[in-house]
Amino acid sequence: DSGVTQTPKHLITATGQRVTLRCSPRSGDLSVYWYQQSLDQGLQFLIQYYNGEERAKGNILERFSAQQFPDLHSELNLSSLELGDSALYFCASSAHVGPYDEQYFGPGTRLTVT
Amino acid sequence: AQSVAQPEDQVNVAEGNPLTVKCTYSVSGNPYLFWYVQYPNRGLQFLLKYITGDNLVKGSYGFEAEFNKSQTSFHLKKPSALVSDSALYFCAVRDYPVMIKAAGNKLTFGGGTRVLVKP
Repeated sequence: DSGVTQTPKHLITATGQRVTLRCSPRSGDLSVYWYQQSLDQGLQFLIQYYNGEERAKGNILERFSAQQFPDLHSELNLSSLELGDSALYFCASSAHVGPYDEQYFGPGTRLTVT
Repeated sequence: AQSVAQPEDQVNVAEGNPLTVKCTYSVSGNPYLFWYVQYPNRGLQFLLKYITGDNLVKGSYGFEAEFNKSQTSFHLKKPSALVSDSALYFCAVRDYPVMIKAAGNKLTFGGGTRVLVKP
């Protein structure tokens, strides 16, 4: 158990809908990362937050947004969902933003868009 | 831009035999390299990392990895594989200090290598 929690575990929704994925980092970790894992794209970095502020953006669609709250938990919002958004979404956390900090991953949320 | 290649989609090995999972990388600055393992229906678990120093890095569950700067490789190894090592393995790189200047800290992952250890 990495100490990173994600809810829900599974989510099934229809195209055009909006969902929110939630992540609680390891105790004491200030940095949160979101990744998308799909069969065709592999593991892709979406976005990073550090202590409430956006730090880096990756291949995140405009329909997606995220935030990190004062208690350091983070939410990833996915809107106008398309079939291609079906994937496993991981949250990871690290203590700081040092280049040597390993990231600890949550169990993921499996999103199925029908 | 940083990138990682894992040339083998799958590696098959008999239990008790040595296991090697290959990884090559490309960065502009200095590489910080990581290996993660993913078991079915689980998140990624950190195995080991190379930051600087000894080229041979030891990690969890008996795994080790060898950093080779001239070949830009970071192969994962285990002297004697177990059936329980069957999983998906990911190599990842962070480009330092390029990413620091960009104020980001993302990991770039390879495509993954599925390891199957047969009894």
